[in-house]
Amino acid sequence: AQKITQTQPGMFVQEKEAVTLDCTYDTSDPSYGLFWYKQPSSGEMIFLIYQGSYDQQNATEGRYSLNFQKARKSANLVISASQLGDSAMYFCAMRDFTDKLIFGTGTRLQVFP
Amino acid sequence: GAGVSQSPSNKVTEKGKDVELRCDPISGHTALYWYRQSLGQGLEFLIYFQGNSAPDKSGLPSDRFSAERTGGSVSTLTIQRTQQEDSAVYLCASSSPTGGNTEAFFGQGTRLTVV
Repeated sequence: AQKITQTQPGMFVQEKEAVTLDCTYDTSDPSYGLFWYKQPSSGEMIFLIYQGSYDQQNATEGRYSLNFQKARKSANLVISASQLGDSAMYFCAMRDFTDKLIFGTGTRLQVFP
Repeated sequence: GAGVSQSPSNKVTEKGKDVELRCDPISGHTALYWYRQSLGQGLEFLIYFQGNSAPDKSGLPSDRFSAERTGGSVSTLTIQRTQQEDSAVYLCASSSPTGGNTEAFFGQGTRLTVV
C-alpha cells in the first residue's frame, strides 16, 4: 500500500537561509508522481513542485527544488533563501498509476527574521 | 468555472442531522478527490473518483459517509447522522487526466461544525 511519511512536525529557519523538509514514501508501483504543496494560514492549498518517478533530473521551480533519491524513496523539498512569507504548512503527496493521491501529515515551517 | 468551487463554505449543523457538501471541479478534470482536515492536521484521504466511478472508497471513516459524482462533474459528499468528531474542513480537489505532471487543484474547503 502507498504511504507518505513526513517526520518533521515543525521546522525553524532564519530568513535568507536554506531549509530542507523531509519526505519519504513507499510504493510498489514503478510509475508514480510526487508533489509538494504549501498551505498558509489562510487554508488554501498551493502547488509548488512535481517530480515524476521516471524523471532523471531533480525538479526545480524558482527557489524550490526537490531532492529526489529514488533508491532511498525520498523526495525532500529544499527552499533556498527563505522569506518570511514561506511560513506555512508544507505537505508532500504521491499519486500512483491509478491516480489515487495521498498526503503526508505535513511540516510546519516558521521563518524568523 | 475558473477553479474548484465548494459549497457551502461554512456549515453548522446539529448532532444527528445529515449534511451534503458539494464540489464543482474544473471543467474537463476527470479525477476528483475528497479529503478531511482537522485543525492543524494533515489531509486525510476519503475517496476519489475517475469520471463517475470511485475506484477507492477505503478512506471513508464509516458507513455514515458516502459520495457520488454525476455526469463526470459535480460531486456530493454526504454525512448522515453527524457526530461532533465529524467537525473539520472538507477539501475537494480535481485534476486533468493522468499523463504526467498534472497537479491537483483545490477548492477553498467547507468548514463543518457539528454542535
